[in-house]
Amino acid sequence: QSVLTQPPSVSGAPGQRVTISCTGSSSNIGTDYDVHWYHQLPGTAPKLLMYGNINRPSGVPDRFSGSKSGTSASLAITGLQAEDEGDYYCQSYDKSLRDFVFGGGTKLTVL
Amino acid sequence: EIQLMESGGGLIQPGGSLRLSCEASGFTFKNYAMNWVRQAPGKGLEWVSGIAGNGVSKYYADSVKGRFNISRDNSKNMLYLQMNTLRAEDTAVYYCAKALCITIFGVSNCGLDSWGQGTLVTVSS
Repeated sequence: QSVLTQPPSVSGAPGQRVTISCTGSSSNIGTDYDVHWYHQLPGTAPKLLMYGNINRPSGVPDRFSGSKSGTSASLAITGLQAEDEGDYYCQSYDKSLRDFVFGGGTKLTVL
Repeated sequence: EIQLMESGGGLIQPGGSLRLSCEASGFTFKNYAMNWVRQAPGKGLEWVSGIAGNGVSKYYADSVKGRFNISRDNSKNMLYLQMNTLRAEDTAVYYCAKALCITIFGVSNCGLDSWGQGTLVTVSS
């Protein structure tokens, strides 16, 4: 059971928009700790996709955007492409556990 | 170009010990906190341990506290994870990951911007 809750899977057709939610609590996201997002392709290491809730590392297209409100955060992907498939993880810090915490991951399928 | 390369994984019996290494290049190693993150087969990511850039402050997940020890040698740009009293549930790919922001004295929640390719640890009799 992950501290941060993500939907197990989402899907969309090419060109469409999808969102992935990350729900936490007052012990992590709700305490204003930043949320980061990672993308992982099968058999490869995760790659930082979004940091500090809304910031894209260089090289990440602006089709990806992040937001945070209250105890939740979201990752939105517009203009869905086949290369966007893979697993997406949110990550933050939990003050009760005093640990970095990850969501359980969301598998994105491009139909 | 930032590069992180893990080594030291393998098959080990329950109760055994193993030391993982991570060789870093392409950045000023001593300025950044480093972390170990693991992924059990078919499962999600789990943060394991982190260490400040100066090597003084160290942090561990409850699941490994008292069994694992993180360390670094800034003169060699090397990160280590000494794993003792290994259990079957420690079986995973272990990644070393660099903090995005300069973190000399602590381990800040600023994101992990570079990851190694991972090394597989299998704990089984």
